[in-house]
Amino acid sequence: EAGVAQSPRYKIIEKRQSVAFWCNPISGHATLYWYQQILGQGPKLLIQFQNNGVVDDSQLPKDRFSAERLKGVDSTLKIQPAKLEDSAVYLCASRGSGANVLTFGAGSRLTVL
Amino acid sequence: GEDVEQSLFLSVREGDSSVINCTYTDSSSTYLYWYKQEPGAGLQLLTYIFSNMDMKQDQRLTVLLNKKDKHLSLRIADTQTGDSAIYFCAERANGNNRLAFGKGNQVVVIP
Repeated sequence: EAGVAQSPRYKIIEKRQSVAFWCNPISGHATLYWYQQILGQGPKLLIQFQNNGVVDDSQLPKDRFSAERLKGVDSTLKIQPAKLEDSAVYLCASRGSGANVLTFGAGSRLTVL
Repeated sequence: GEDVEQSLFLSVREGDSSVINCTYTDSSSTYLYWYKQEPGAGLQLLTYIFSNMDMKQDQRLTVLLNKKDKHLSLRIADTQTGDSAIYFCAERANGNNRLAFGKGNQVVVIP
């Protein structure tokens, strides 16, 4: 099966600009996650979707971050306006119903200058 | 809440065994995972263990779980240069479908 697809792989922007990341999960996976991984740290959950509904967005900085999964398949994570501390790798993962494991994409590396 | 602690760095000679440790705080964790991350890559699932097990072996990998002490370890036998990576442990709490990750442990294999 195809893995979790993410794009772009790399993005460099200046602070106060906006950026969007896209994720296409494994076909049929109902649950989709966005994680933020700052250099030297473990991934931190930003938001979790079940189909097109949000299950958990408690750690999403909602003043600047937004995410959607309108049709319950692919998802977009947006940052507007970006800050220096948003420099990180943004990882998307998906999980099939009843499965115990998350499958991760390769990530989108953001550098904010 | 979930909080996962890992030590930071391990260097090991090729062919030796390496052991990576992790402690977690949420006693309701049902599954515990080990993921591997190579430079510039996403997280690759290595193995996971259900909380009612003490040990799981999968080829060169052995996972030990001490639920009383909330301690998880990963032993890699006959470590190879391709095992050089950062290893993350993660816990999944009961009734919760998200994973909480530790900070990772970098393993460097010396030829």
